[in-house]
Amino acid sequence: GDSVTQMEGPVTLSEEAFLTINCTYTATGYPSLFWYVQYPGEGLQLLLKATKADDKGSNKGFEATYRKETTSFHLEKGSVQVSDSAVYFCALSDRGYGGSQGNLIFGKGTKLSVKP
Amino acid sequence: DTAVSQTPKYLVTQMGNDKSIKCEQNLGHDTMYWYKQDSKKFLKIMFSYNNKELIINETVPNRFSPKSPDKAHLNLHINSLELGDSAVYFCASSQDRNSPLHFGNGTRLTVT
Repeated sequence: GDSVTQMEGPVTLSEEAFLTINCTYTATGYPSLFWYVQYPGEGLQLLLKATKADDKGSNKGFEATYRKETTSFHLEKGSVQVSDSAVYFCALSDRGYGGSQGNLIFGKGTKLSVKP
Repeated sequence: DTAVSQTPKYLVTQMGNDKSIKCEQNLGHDTMYWYKQDSKKFLKIMFSYNNKELIINETVPNRFSPKSPDKAHLNLHINSLELGDSAVYFCASSQDRNSPLHFGNGTRLTVT
């Protein structure tokens, strides 16, 4: 079945460091891909998404590019802040084109801690 | 003015008990969901309702029964609780199945 694999955490960085969180997926068909973020004590929030190959999702300085050839959707940020400390979840929707999120399959989550 | 609210935030109970978790959204969304996050942080969908109608029912024991009295509410009732039910349960909603999900803050259920 469809699945998402994220790099193991936790990831600890100093403020202004470059961030990459790797995400690869296995899917039949053409999934849409997402990154969600969970701040301490809160529910998940959509961070960004991409619905087809070569699309780049971006939000709050974070970016991820849908790479069909490598089945990847790595999350990057050029300069992290303490306020970015959270758990980041990569996810795919197995409902095909259109970005339908009716059945999201999540990765395990990667905890990011940013130190001042 | 919380968008998706769940109660209670924490729930500690003994094996064999029956408990409910309530969820309400004030976003006017048509679709609501229940997700389970286990101790390894895996998030899995359990149920999805659209306009009070069940549309997704993943492989979940029938001890779990969702109830949607109206579009803004999706409650989760669990009978005969087991140790393995301990997890964080997240409610979510979306305008439709093509729109982003808005999650509640979760309910941490501990079964002793």
